[in-house]
Amino acid sequence: GEDVEQSLFLSVREGDSSVINCTYTDSSSTYLYWYKQEPGAGLQLLTYIFSNMDMKQDQRLTVLLNKKDKHLSLRIADTQTGDSAIYFCAENDDMRFGAGTRLTVKP
Amino acid sequence: GAVVSQHPSWVICKSGTSVKIECRSLDFQATTMFWYRQFPKQSLMLMATSNEGSKATYEQGVEKDKFLINHASLTLSTLTVTSAHPEDSSFYICSASGNHNEQFFGPGTRLTVL
Repeated sequence: GEDVEQSLFLSVREGDSSVINCTYTDSSSTYLYWYKQEPGAGLQLLTYIFSNMDMKQDQRLTVLLNKKDKHLSLRIADTQTGDSAIYFCAENDDMRFGAGTRLTVKP
Repeated sequence: GAVVSQHPSWVICKSGTSVKIECRSLDFQATTMFWYRQFPKQSLMLMATSNEGSKATYEQGVEKDKFLINHASLTLSTLTVTSAHPEDSSFYICSASGNHNEQFFGPGTRLTVL
């Protein structure tokens, strides 16, 4: 079946940049999403990218899409302790999610 | 990994009827379950957080009297769409939270209201 894969853990120091990577297999996805899940809470949409774009920037967030390699990344600049959460990537056609990357930000 | 099931996987109903969707964690106890809806080609939208033994917490803009949530046990949460109308047609997905806050998603229920 179609899969979305992410690494499970990422640890960075406060102020550094974080890069969370995701690979997917369904090339027909129209949109690719990043969701954030804070402890005890449900998923909230963080940002998304349309499949015909290579990059989207939104304040501290930069999404890069490499359609050829089916690789999606989320870069968080100047990572803060409040960014500690689990980040899920998802492709929209079948709404398949990765397992989530747990980002830990150390002071 | 842990398994979350939903029932039914799809349902078609007439306008004005109520539809109940079940979400079960099959091999673990889930204190917290979440309900989402997804319109075609759009992102997932969190509707409510369901906590076992207490009232659900609804997101802003979600009518609690229309979308009734019951989390009666540690393995079952139900979402009832009351007096469904065509605009309620959507894909409803639940997820269950494990001990380490990881999310396990159900396969979703596609609701079509005629």
